[in-house]
Amino acid sequence: DAMVIQNPRYQVTQFGKPVTLSCSQTLNHNVMYWYQQKSSQAPKLLFHYYDKDFNNEADTPDNFQSRRPNTSFCFLDIRSPGLGDAAMYLCATSSSPGLQETQYFGPGTRLLVL
Amino acid sequence: AQSVAQPEDQVNVAEGNPLTVKCTYSVSGNPYLFWYVQYPNRGLQFLLKYITGDNLVKGSYGFEAEFNKSQTSFHLKKPSALVSDSALYFCAVREATGFQKLVFGTGTRLLVSP
Repeated sequence: DAMVIQNPRYQVTQFGKPVTLSCSQTLNHNVMYWYQQKSSQAPKLLFHYYDKDFNNEADTPDNFQSRRPNTSFCFLDIRSPGLGDAAMYLCATSSSPGLQETQYFGPGTRLLVL
Repeated sequence: AQSVAQPEDQVNVAEGNPLTVKCTYSVSGNPYLFWYVQYPNRGLQFLLKYITGDNLVKGSYGFEAEFNKSQTSFHLKKPSALVSDSALYFCAVREATGFQKLVFGTGTRLLVSP
């Protein structure tokens, strides 16, 4: 089945130690998104890639970076995690950024910062 | 700017009874509305969307939503609730300008009791 896969499902890191979260998709979608979700709040968009074009949300901290080496994979890098970065990180994809397009989410990676 | 409001933090319903999860929207132009469900420690699952056409939209797992333009509402409904429907439900609207990102409501927790 076509799907969005996130690894690992749970990640523990230390304060200030860089961490990378992974997302892959078999949907062949052009757009990939990263969201941060805290404590059952609404997901907050961090950034997205439309093909190779990177689009950062204005309020996304510089501590968060992303890479998309090919259509299938997208990575979220947190350069120096703080305690406030502990959250669920959700990857999503859509075939295009159009108004009608549905975003399909992966299962998420829960990040714990010690 | 586009926005959605979910006025209830939690909805309680007995198994077998009909359920309604409320959502109202504020948009400039045509609304593009979505419902997602999130089970504990999981990503968001797409339920249904309204783009245009019939005001009653049918989706996954027996859910449906009624679009009401005069009341600017898009309530999620199910004729007979299951205990397994207990989850967090998010309403979302697509922004009509710029990147057209999804804007989520604050979420409603549905608790279905046996």
